[in-house]
Amino acid sequence: GAGVSQTPSNKVTEKGKYVELRCDPISGHTALYWYRQSLGQGPEFLIYFQGTGAADDSGLPNDRFFAVRPEGSVSTLKIQRTERGDSAVYLCASSEWARTEAFFGQGTRLTVV
Amino acid sequence: AQSVTQLGSHVSVSEGALVLLRCNYSSSVPPYLFWYVQYPNQGLQLLLKYTSAATLVKGINGFEAEFKKSETSFHLTKPSAHMSDAAEYFCAVNTNRDDKIIFGKGTRLHILP
Repeated sequence: GAGVSQTPSNKVTEKGKYVELRCDPISGHTALYWYRQSLGQGPEFLIYFQGTGAADDSGLPNDRFFAVRPEGSVSTLKIQRTERGDSAVYLCASSEWARTEAFFGQGTRLTVV
Repeated sequence: AQSVTQLGSHVSVSEGALVLLRCNYSSSVPPYLFWYVQYPNQGLQLLLKYTSAATLVKGINGFEAEFKKSETSFHLTKPSAHMSDAAEYFCAVNTNRDDKIIFGKGTRLHILP
């Protein structure tokens, strides 16, 4: 594809439910990032993949958050037992390799009610 | 640990006036620095990047930024503001010791007619 694709673009879920957010990076990009952006804030780092492995997951706020990238391409961010405080725009980005320009998707707006 | 501070969450300039958005970074090793722009309801787009080559970096839409190691700054400028420049601007840092990209809180640029 031409750019980073994130699905769904919007997700409304009830408190306590499980959600999955998908990111399809630019073909050939080995690095993939997840960020969370709350209203009026900058993107907050969650996790970074180099290939299939999570190179840095220090930004995941707690053990309800988990992300995978099993084949080194598509990634899924999984949130268990969602809370209202999880409401935000979740951004995915990819780059050719670490420390090069990151290309961002449009984001998934998650609303927990 | 690396970090970025953007001075001023909101900046207003008149159309045709100089734009100056401030960014200071903290890094114990030579950084890579980026400016991203986010237009309303759109994804993040790279404006320009510094990767240890020329200290004055030119980007898209007439923007440029100068890396000043002595001041740990990477301020973004544009000689003459245009109405279409109204957006949120994020400064970001990345180092070769830590692959994740860390963003500042952002500065919303308002252009006055």
